[in-house]
Amino acid sequence: DAGITQSPRHKVTETGTPVTLRCHQTENHRYMYWYRQDPGHGLRLIHYSYGVKDTDKGEVSDGYSVSRSKTEDFLLTLESATSSQTSVYFCAISADWDSSNQPQHFGDGTRLSIL
Amino acid sequence: SQQGEEDPQALSIQEGENATMNCSYKTSINNLQWYRQNSGRGLVHLILIRSNEREKHSGRLRVTLDTSKKSSSLLITASRAADTASYFCATGQGTYGGSQGNLIFGKGTKLSVKP
Repeated sequence: DAGITQSPRHKVTETGTPVTLRCHQTENHRYMYWYRQDPGHGLRLIHYSYGVKDTDKGEVSDGYSVSRSKTEDFLLTLESATSSQTSVYFCAISADWDSSNQPQHFGDGTRLSIL
Repeated sequence: SQQGEEDPQALSIQEGENATMNCSYKTSINNLQWYRQNSGRGLVHLILIRSNEREKHSGRLRVTLDTSKKSSSLLITASRAADTASYFCATGQGTYGGSQGNLIFGKGTKLSVKP
């Protein structure tokens, strides 16, 4: 299994509080991704990173920010959590931007509940 | 926006039977990938098929791709209880740089294999 660790694995918090999820990889892969998974919607891309300090928005980026200060760490922050952000969040990595050649490897997810 | 749509949404079979799942997509692609997700875990890459390939095998898995119909199928032969999981297709447009390099996931097929 690819060395991807997500923390925390579970979190319950209240509306309006800030939340930071961490993704740590030991594969030295350049590309990292944050997805959310919701029933009826499948997996949707929030933000991605193509290098240290290089990030861009995905399909559902509103309300989220990311940072990548080191190759191995990719942080996802909810500045002021809302109930609509209750979801399971997955981090993924890939060695190559061109997905023709490389699959993505996923962490085991963070289950976030916002009350 | 969702690109791949899996069919059926749910499939229940007996151990030893074959399982077939289909994926349809809308725009031209460079490759199509299939992933498996066990309950409570992250996605695991199964197989990648490029747009110039028609069929690919990996163990008990057989994937076909028909670019004229914009569809793919995943066949699992001689299924086992351990194959119980959700299966997702993901399409890649394979363009370096920009959002076109991202994978777009379908909503998945939930497969249940009964002993």
